[in-house]
Amino acid sequence: GDSVTQMEGPVTLSEEAFLTINCTYTATGYPSLFWYVQYPGEGLQLLLKATKADDKGSNKGFEATYRKETTSFHLEKGSVQVSDSAVYFCALKGSRGATNKLIFGTGTLLAVQP
Amino acid sequence: GAVVSQHPSWVICKSGTSVKIECRSLDFQATTMFWYRQFPKQSLMLMATSNEGSKATYEQGVEKDKFLINHASLTLSTLTVTSAHPEDSSFYICSAPGTSGTEGFKNIQYFGAGTRLSVL
Repeated sequence: GDSVTQMEGPVTLSEEAFLTINCTYTATGYPSLFWYVQYPGEGLQLLLKATKADDKGSNKGFEATYRKETTSFHLEKGSVQVSDSAVYFCALKGSRGATNKLIFGTGTLLAVQP
Repeated sequence: GAVVSQHPSWVICKSGTSVKIECRSLDFQATTMFWYRQFPKQSLMLMATSNEGSKATYEQGVEKDKFLINHASLTLSTLTVTSAHPEDSSFYICSAPGTSGTEGFKNIQYFGAGTRLSVL
């Protein structure tokens, strides 16, 4: 079945460092891909998304490109801030059937130090 | 933007009691809602899909009689943890997919802020 694999954390960076969180997926057809962020004590918020191959999702300085050839959707940010400290989840929604189910990766904790 | 409200945000109860968690879509209708459970430092585990006007669809391994789901209207789904025990302590999150309007809205899910359940 469909699945998402993302790098384990925690990832600890200094402010203004470059961030990459790897995410790869297994799915049939053409899934939609998402990154969600969960700040401490809060629910999940959509960070960015891409719905087809080569699409680049971007928001708040974060970017991720849908790479079908490598089945990847890595999250990047050029210069992280302390306020980016959170748990980041990669997720996919399958293209087959009418379901809106999301399949999540295990989440990656990012801790940014001043 | 679309808002999903979840209530309560935190509940403490005694072992053996039942707890009801509400999930509301505030500015859109949701014929389907999803209930997740999140263990500390782990990902979200889909428990069930709540369907307005019909029975919920439970994921494998989730006890239907333990986690009762009711989706009585297009804006409200409830999850009742019956006869709660300490092992039911967890973070429960609901979500609702955008179902109409722009493609950007329809293709994503909106999450509640979650309910932390602590069973003593």
